[in-house]
Amino acid sequence: DAGVTQSPTHLIKTRGQHVTLRCSPISGHKSVSWYQQVLGQGPQFIFQYYEKEERGRGNFPDRFSARQFPNYSSELNVNALLLGDSALYLCASSLDRGHYEQYFGPGTRLTVT
Amino acid sequence: GQNIDQPTEMTATEGAIVQINCTYQTSGFNGLFWYQQHAGEAPTFLSYNVLDGLEEKGRFSSFLSRSKGYSYLLLKELQMKDSASYLCAAPRGNAGNMLTFGGGTRLMVKP
Repeated sequence: DAGVTQSPTHLIKTRGQHVTLRCSPISGHKSVSWYQQVLGQGPQFIFQYYEKEERGRGNFPDRFSARQFPNYSSELNVNALLLGDSALYLCASSLDRGHYEQYFGPGTRLTVT
Repeated sequence: GQNIDQPTEMTATEGAIVQINCTYQTSGFNGLFWYQQHAGEAPTFLSYNVLDGLEEKGRFSSFLSRSKGYSYLLLKELQMKDSASYLCAAPRGNAGNMLTFGGGTRLMVKP
């Protein structure tokens, strides 16, 4: 079975631009969470979606938004990119929002110049 | 709020034992996680402790003391491939898998 997949793998954007990152959860998993990991730090929680609804939001500005589709895949959108948005963006999927086992995708490395 | 602290870096010798500590302050308690993350890769699940005590899984063990807000990950018979970052994490509030992570402990295993 395929694990969590994310696209693109790497991305370079300019300040002020917007970006869309994509995540496909493990088949049968209905919950998707997004994390931002700045180099040298632990991941920081951004959003969790379950059954296409936002179930949790971390301490990130409104420039960050996400959605989940009927097939449970998800997109993370970031507008008005700042240099500080450069990070590894991780997607994690789990069966449901309360299930402790979650599996992380390989991440998207975003560089903002 | 939540606060999770762990050492930034540790070095150990191949074949030895290393203990990575984590202290946490959370509003409510819903377990404590440990993840392993090799450089440039995704975190992978190691353990989840809800009750006090030591849980052993092969070369890796995890300990929890809820009264002290303290956990540790014990790695035995260290191998070079154990060089990685080890992340301590706790659920945010009552949500089982919306996690707050510590900064991670970068472990370097030397021959």
